Order: sequence, then C-alpha cells, then structure tokens
Amino acid sequence: EIVMTQSPLSLPVTPGEPASISCRSSQSLLHKNGKNYLDWYVQKPGQSPQLLIYLGSSRASGVPDRFTGSGSGTDFTLKISRVEAEDVAIYYCMQALQTPLTFGGGTNVEIK
Amino acid sequence: QVQLQESGPGLLKPSQTLSLTCTVSAGSMNRGSYYWNWVRQPAGRRLEWIGRVFTDGRANYNPSLQSRVTMSLDTSKNHLSLKLTSVTAADTAVYFCARAENVLIPPADLHYYMDVWGKGTTVTVSS
Repeated sequence: EIVMTQSPLSLPVTPGEPASISCRSSQSLLHKNGKNYLDWYVQKPGQSPQLLIYLGSSRASGVPDRFTGSGSGTDFTLKISRVEAEDVAIYYCMQALQTPLTFGGGTNVEIK
Repeated sequence: QVQLQESGPGLLKPSQTLSLTCTVSAGSMNRGSYYWNWVRQPAGRRLEWIGRVFTDGRANYNPSLQSRVTMSLDTSKNHLSLKLTSVTAADTAVYFCARAENVLIPPADLHYYMDVWGKGTTVTVSS
C-alpha cells in the first residue's frame, strides 16, 4: 500500500497571502505514460470532499486559477496564490496509481 | 446535474451487517467511463477508500476490508450498494459514495478521478 504523508497538519493563513501544502508518497506516482497519478481534494466544513486537482496539476472544472498543483514522483505541492475566506477547508492528496487508493492525512487551512 | 445520495441505518450493534445504498439521480450509472466508489471517514481521521465497482460488475476492494465487504450495482434502479459484515466500533464513520470519471491519456491509458460525491451518511456501531 502506498502511504501518503501531508504537511503541515494545520496551516493558519492571512487572507490575500499565499499558502502551500506538501504531499509525499512512499512510492513514485509517475506512471509510465509520463503522468503523475496524484489528485487533490478539498473538504469544506460540513461538506463532502470535492475534486480540486487531478493528474498532479490539472484543475477540475470550475476551480479558480489561484489553485496550482505541481510536483512529480514522490513530492507534490498544492499552492494557493492568494487565500480567500472561502478556502477554509481540509485539503487531501490521494494517489490513484494503484489500489488500494490512499489519502494523505489532510491539511487544515484556517484563517488567522 | 448528477447527484448521489447515501441511505441506510445510522446505528448498528457489533457483529451486525452494514447495508448502505447510494442512489444516483439525474444521470445514468450505465456508462463504461465510470466506476463507483465507497469511501469512509472516521471522526477526526483520514479518508479511507473502501472499494469500487465497474459497470461490468468487476470490483476492487481495500485489502484491509476485503474479507468483509461486498459492493454491487443495480443499474436498472440507479443504485450502488455496500455490505460490510461483522461490524465493530472501528467501522463507525461517515460513509460516502462517489462517482469516478476517467480522462484518456493517449494512446490508451486512463486516469480516474472522483468527480461527484454524495453528502455522506453517518454510521455508528455501538452496543
């Protein structure tokens, strides 16, 4: 099983400032087709998770361009260029390279 | 717009069998480009993938639950079902169903991502 590790656990941010979340996998998520099978999900308070980023860097439909996914292999980053109040949520990375699909422990983004 | 809704008993006793249904509305389950998942979230813990089922009936389960879990589709009713036997307190969680759509990576690979989720249903196992 691929183990996903996120940091930090909690991330207090000031509105308008950038934020960065790290995700590491215990095995490379780089498929032989050159794509990284790493997705990001966001879970706002009281809601179910929603897709944010897929294949490491492709934004899902309707996701603002202030969200950027990057990285390759075992190290990935989700960046929010300018945090807004509506971005308060828990962010999860998930590997989709092999079953069982596994999630990171989540990063709780909160407003200072 | 397709919507998913989980339903089932909210309270179970240890050793009982959990049965949940996910109803798909405003869309068809019977498309080969989808598969259907169950994911659960114990309070304060990370999301855990339970398993997935394809429209042709193939299923993959999390090895940690494989001996106790069965998933199935009834495309005529637009239902996805989950059965989990011999439940314990460790199975207490919010259970989500989720649709996975695919994107083609030329020439012939697919990547699936979970693009539609239900709101979740809380299941508590307690004597």
